[in-house]
Amino acid sequence: EVQLVESGGGLVQPGGSLRLSCAASGFTFSNYWMTWVRQAPGKGLEWVANIKQDGSEKYYVDSVKGRFTISRDNAENSLYLQMNSLRVEDTAVYYCARRRDGHNAGDYWGQGTLVTVSS
Amino acid sequence: AIRMTQSPSSLSASTGDRVTITCRASQGISSYLAWYQQKPGKAPKLLIYGASTLQSGVPSRFSGSGSGTDFTLTISCLQSEDFATYYCQQYYSYPLTFGGGTKVEIK
Repeated sequence: EVQLVESGGGLVQPGGSLRLSCAASGFTFSNYWMTWVRQAPGKGLEWVANIKQDGSEKYYVDSVKGRFTISRDNAENSLYLQMNSLRVEDTAVYYCARRRDGHNAGDYWGQGTLVTVSS
Repeated sequence: AIRMTQSPSSLSASTGDRVTITCRASQGISSYLAWYQQKPGKAPKLLIYGASTLQSGVPSRFSGSGSGTDFTLTISCLQSEDFATYYCQQYYSYPLTFGGGTKVEIK
């Protein structure tokens, strides 16, 4: 059974940093692109970042470029999102998802982790 | 960035109704479109990819159509478990973008 479990969310002050993790199991993690998607409270979905199987390609939404870094450890079956210079508008539930083979759509999702940026 | 516009933003329907949701892209995206269902407090669930291919395990009452700029998600016979918010997403180019969502409520 495919499972994705996010962790690392919490309350942080504006300008602070946080590192999210996503533990994957039930599939060969190193064979799949992975993605982060976020959802602000009461709002819609926003794609954040993608990373290729070997980490050689990474893509970001403009609003997080230069502040967030997506990475992965295939030996540990883990995906990460390092978030620096956090802003109030980064407050959201952050989901990790597996990208469906051949299609840039998430076919399995974690339960999400809440990041709150507030003073 | 490609803008995805869904309509309506919400609708009320009864169990057994046929429901259609529309998604329009600001430029042509071929068939690089996915549909998701999301229930309150839960992660999104992939329903359709490639504009019309049903994800494994998704009931056949869900169907998708369209290509280029105009797409539809149809639920042929609404069931109680289908009351949720639905999102389209283009993956023709980065940044990947979602529509604003359509909330399907009980009439």
